[in-house]
Amino acid sequence: DAGITQSPRHKVTETGTPVTLRCHQTENHRYMYWYRQDPGHGLRLIHYSYGVKDTDKGEVSDGYSVSRSKTEDFLLTLESATSSQTSVYFCAISESAGSGANVLTFGAGSRLTVL
Amino acid sequence: GQSLEQPSEVTAVEGAIVQINCTYQTSGFYGLSWYQQHDGGAPTFLSYNALDGLEETGRFSSFLSRSDSYGYLLLQELQMKDSASYFCAVREDAGNMLTFGGGTRLMVKP
Repeated sequence: DAGITQSPRHKVTETGTPVTLRCHQTENHRYMYWYRQDPGHGLRLIHYSYGVKDTDKGEVSDGYSVSRSKTEDFLLTLESATSSQTSVYFCAISESAGSGANVLTFGAGSRLTVL
Repeated sequence: GQSLEQPSEVTAVEGAIVQINCTYQTSGFYGLSWYQQHDGGAPTFLSYNALDGLEETGRFSSFLSRSDSYGYLLLQELQMKDSASYFCAVREDAGNMLTFGGGTRLMVKP
């Protein structure tokens, strides 16, 4: 993998509990993204970051928050997990904006199950 | 809003050529990308078209026609390891958001 680590890789939790997924990169890329992948829906953007403390919402941001206090770390938090948030979560990075945003490098994914 | 359509499943035999189509409806267009994902794995970037025409990368080629809002991924000399899901993705504006299609599952048979 191109220096992207996601943790945890697997997590089972109960409805109503908070969950934080971590994405760590060693590429010093400015842009980081969180996607979720569900059968029949492809990959859908949750939030993305264009720099330290700079984040913006994606297509499916309700119920999720993010933080980026360092270039290398992008955290995704589910304040109160629901069963509809059971999914595989992928972190991605891109080196630049513009056309560079069409070329994403993905982490290995975090499989979250909310019971 | 935006939508991307691609076939859900395609089957082909080893050594053959297969084409995976992608049509898109977006308010803007800043490029079409293709990604490959093996079962249980992460998506990996294959190719990118910003302008009309064909881009070739080894056995894989990608084509774009902006006037038709259409592109395709062409895989030649299919190998068993090409069995995977393939996603097209469009950047709709000048920002950084990439929107993905639902994916096409390619099954390569001996």
